[in-house]
Amino acid sequence: AQKITQTQPGMFVQEKEAVTLDCTYDTSDPSYGLFWYKQPSSGEMIFLIYQGSYDQQNATEGRYSLNFQKARKSANLVISASQLGDSAMYFCAMREIGSARQLTFGSGTQLTVLP
Amino acid sequence: EAGVAQSPRYKIIEKRQSVAFWCNPISGHATLYWYQQILGQGPKLLIQFQNNGVVDDSQLPKDRFSAERLKGVDSTLKIQPAKLEDSAVYLCASSLDRAARGDIQYFGAGTRLSVL
Repeated sequence: AQKITQTQPGMFVQEKEAVTLDCTYDTSDPSYGLFWYKQPSSGEMIFLIYQGSYDQQNATEGRYSLNFQKARKSANLVISASQLGDSAMYFCAMREIGSARQLTFGSGTQLTVLP
Repeated sequence: EAGVAQSPRYKIIEKRQSVAFWCNPISGHATLYWYQQILGQGPKLLIQFQNNGVVDDSQLPKDRFSAERLKGVDSTLKIQPAKLEDSAVYLCASSLDRAARGDIQYFGAGTRLSVL
């Protein structure tokens, strides 16, 4: 069963606008972590933001925020004031604390920021 | 602080040849991971080390893939013999403490392997 689902293969956004990248997950472990990574064309996976399942508040890191809706099992990434340099592949990932603690990744969303 | 270092960046080989990738994690990081990322997909874990011991290698094709982490620092991943379907990017990551709930994995730039 797929544990991480990213339903948007590609997204376009105008420069300076906000964009939301969707991510839903499936787990029966009450303790887990959700992560977002950015992968530019150069190939490196860059960590953006983390949300723990017990965290009461949505995580924020600069222009990145995570819209965490636990009951819906969704962890959408919001990028505010998009920049041309934000064009990249974005991956949502989950780590279940009770199992082998490995990161399980979604299939990714290709974001293109238009000038 | 230096990031995760990987080499080579690119490698082209013919099927049935062997190849090795090298990874140097962030200083002080106890856990090291090797991932395989096939074009158009998210990374998939191959093997996970805690210091120099294997924690999880359940998804490593052990008939052709091997990995070691000597002295709990650098690691090498080897494929012998390579198959066409091994063409992928091989990513190395490291983290400080896999037991910590908020443990973050930091990735290297990867090695892009093409098997002809």
